[in-house]
Amino acid sequence: DAGVTQSPTHLIKTRGQQVTLRCSPKSGHDTVSWYQQALGQGPQFIFQYYEEEERQRGNFPDRFSGHQFPNYSSELNVNALLLGDSALYLCASSEPGLRGEQYFGPGTRLTVT
Amino acid sequence: QQQVKQSPQSLIVQKGGIPIINCAYENTAFDYFPWYQQFPGKGPALLIAIRPDVSEKKEGRFTISFNKSAKQFSLHIMDSQPGDSATYFCAAAISGSARQLTFGSGTQLTVLP
Repeated sequence: DAGVTQSPTHLIKTRGQQVTLRCSPKSGHDTVSWYQQALGQGPQFIFQYYEEEERQRGNFPDRFSGHQFPNYSSELNVNALLLGDSALYLCASSEPGLRGEQYFGPGTRLTVT
Repeated sequence: QQQVKQSPQSLIVQKGGIPIINCAYENTAFDYFPWYQQFPGKGPALLIAIRPDVSEKKEGRFTISFNKSAKQFSLHIMDSQPGDSATYFCAAAISGSARQLTFGSGTQLTVLP
C-alpha cells in the first residue's frame, strides 16, 4: 500500500514564475492538507481540501491556491514566486472524518532564484 | 494566538540515554497533540499522539507525558539508539477544526554510539 506521494521531488524556479505541485493521498484517505516548511523550522499549515473544496486556510496570501480532484489527489499552485517561497512543501492526507491522523509525504523541495 | 513552543533546540545524548523534549501551548482549545519524527530529506512521520483526557501514553520506547493544567507536554525516548537521531516536532490541533496542525520549531536529537 503506497503512502502519500508527491511530485516533483525537486524544483527550481525563477522569481515571478508560477509553480504547480502534486500530491496523491494514502489509499482510503479523502482529505489533503498542504504545509510549507522553511529550512530549520516546523511545517506551517497552508490549507486543507475535502470533497474538492478548501475547508480551512492558514495565514498565506492568495498567491497560494489549490485544487482537489474527484480521486482525492491534490495540487498546490503558487503564483508570482518570491525568494521567500523557497521551502519544502509537504502534503499530508488523513482518513475520513475530523479525527483522522495526518500522514505526510516526502515533500517537494522548491528553490526560487 | 495559536503557538506551540518547543525546547530544547538541540539535544545530544549517549546511546541508552533518555532524551526529553518539551512543548508548551497557549490555546486551551487544543485537544490533540501528536509528535512527529523527521529525517533529512524526508517528510515528518507520526510517532505517537495523545488527547488531554489522559496524562501519559506509551508506544514502544516512546512516551508522551501531558500536564493539562500547565499546558505542557513532553516526549521521552527510552533506551535511545543512534538510529533515533533525527529532528522531532511536537504539534497541536483542535479536532473540530479539520485538525489544522500547529507545529513547534523542532528539536534536533543526536544519539552518540
